[in-house]
Amino acid sequence: GQQLNQSPQSMFIQEGEDVSMNCTSSSIFNTWLWYKQDPGEGPVLLIALYKAGELTSNGRLTAQFGITRKDSFLNISASIPSDVGIYFCAAPKTSYDKVIFGPGTSLSVIP
Amino acid sequence: NAGVTQTPKFRVLKTGQSMTLLCAQDMNHEYMYWYRQDPGMGLRLIHYSVGEGTTAKGEVPDGYNVSRLKKQNFLLGLESAAPSQTSVYFCASTISNQPQHFGDGTRLSIL
Repeated sequence: GQQLNQSPQSMFIQEGEDVSMNCTSSSIFNTWLWYKQDPGEGPVLLIALYKAGELTSNGRLTAQFGITRKDSFLNISASIPSDVGIYFCAAPKTSYDKVIFGPGTSLSVIP
Repeated sequence: NAGVTQTPKFRVLKTGQSMTLLCAQDMNHEYMYWYRQDPGMGLRLIHYSVGEGTTAKGEVPDGYNVSRLKKQNFLLGLESAAPSQTSVYFCASTISNQPQHFGDGTRLSIL
């Protein structure tokens, strides 16, 4: 079935470094979503992408909708300790009645 | 601005016991969802509802039942808890064609 793959699985970086992570699939999607989950909390939407090739920013975060519609990328610039958490990509299968999630990328920031 | 509220936040059960998890949203959302989150597996959809009085199976529905008697509430039931159901459970809600809003989760341990 459809599934999303995320890499890397986990990252340990120094505060101030830039971060890149990606999400890939063998299926085509028309929407890509990026969520962040802080420890002990539920996922919170960071960025939503609706068009192939689209590049969208939210503060220090920038996400791109891959041109093939089979992948998406998330970059975080100048990381800070509060960036720690798990980052999930997600995509609606057909409509929002069913959304599939990637396994997540765990980010740790070393002060 | 409560958003999506899940109760209880923590619970320990013995194998074979039953319990109900409650999800309440105050955003007048039509769609509601129950997910489970296990290490390395992201979020997997258990059941969902596209409106009051309607429910549908997700990816991993076995061992769970749900009810949506009121638009604002979505209940997840475990009739006979098993150790394999130890997990963190998340509820989410949305309106059509919009990203989901998540609660903070219920941490459930089955001994």
